[in-house]
Amino acid sequence: QVQLVQSAAEVRKPGASVRLSCKTSGYVFTSYPLHWMRQAPGQRPEWVGWITPDDGETTYSRSLRGRISITKDTPARTAYLELSGLTPEDTGVYYCARWAGGADSWGPGTLVSVSS
Amino acid sequence: IVLTQSPGTLSLSPGERATLSCRASQNVVKNYIIWYQQKAGQTPRLLIDRTSRRATGIPDRFSGSGSGTDFTLTITGLEPEDSAIYYCQQSGTVPLTFGGGTRVDIK
Repeated sequence: QVQLVQSAAEVRKPGASVRLSCKTSGYVFTSYPLHWMRQAPGQRPEWVGWITPDDGETTYSRSLRGRISITKDTPARTAYLELSGLTPEDTGVYYCARWAGGADSWGPGTLVSVSS
Repeated sequence: IVLTQSPGTLSLSPGERATLSCRASQNVVKNYIIWYQQKAGQTPRLLIDRTSRRATGIPDRFSGSGSGTDFTLTITGLEPEDSAIYYCQQSGTVPLTFGGGTRVDIK
């Protein structure tokens, strides 16, 4: 079955960077875009960006452009999200999700806490 | 594209019908509206994509409709397990955006 396994929770100080991973299994990695979303406590989800694993093309949220990088390691079937210049407003759960017309399989999420 | 969901909260009884609205600030390209269900402490679950296409395993109690700027998720024969927040998302235009959600409480 389709599985997305995400890296453990992270705690960072403002201005730091964080790199999250999303390891996939159960499907052809290069056949589906992989999206990242985040959700602050009690808030709606927010789309962050996506990568198409077959060619590595990326599309990012304008509000994060310049601070975000999504990459992939195809043999490892893993996608990565790196976010720099962290602020407390970046605190939340970061999800990766396989995209098939909608996000049809989600990872469990990685909690990122940014605090001084 | 800003998505506005209404009502904010629905309190209904088992067996009743829920009608959730999602209104877009401009036409949604190709009517690419998606609906998710998120229960407390859980990840979102895909219900509907492309306005009306049910995801795998989603019962036909859940149906989607609409076009342009006005979209609806209808849940018939409500069950206690349907208590959740329901979000719409548009994927026709970057950035993809989510609505603020409708909380459905089953009394």
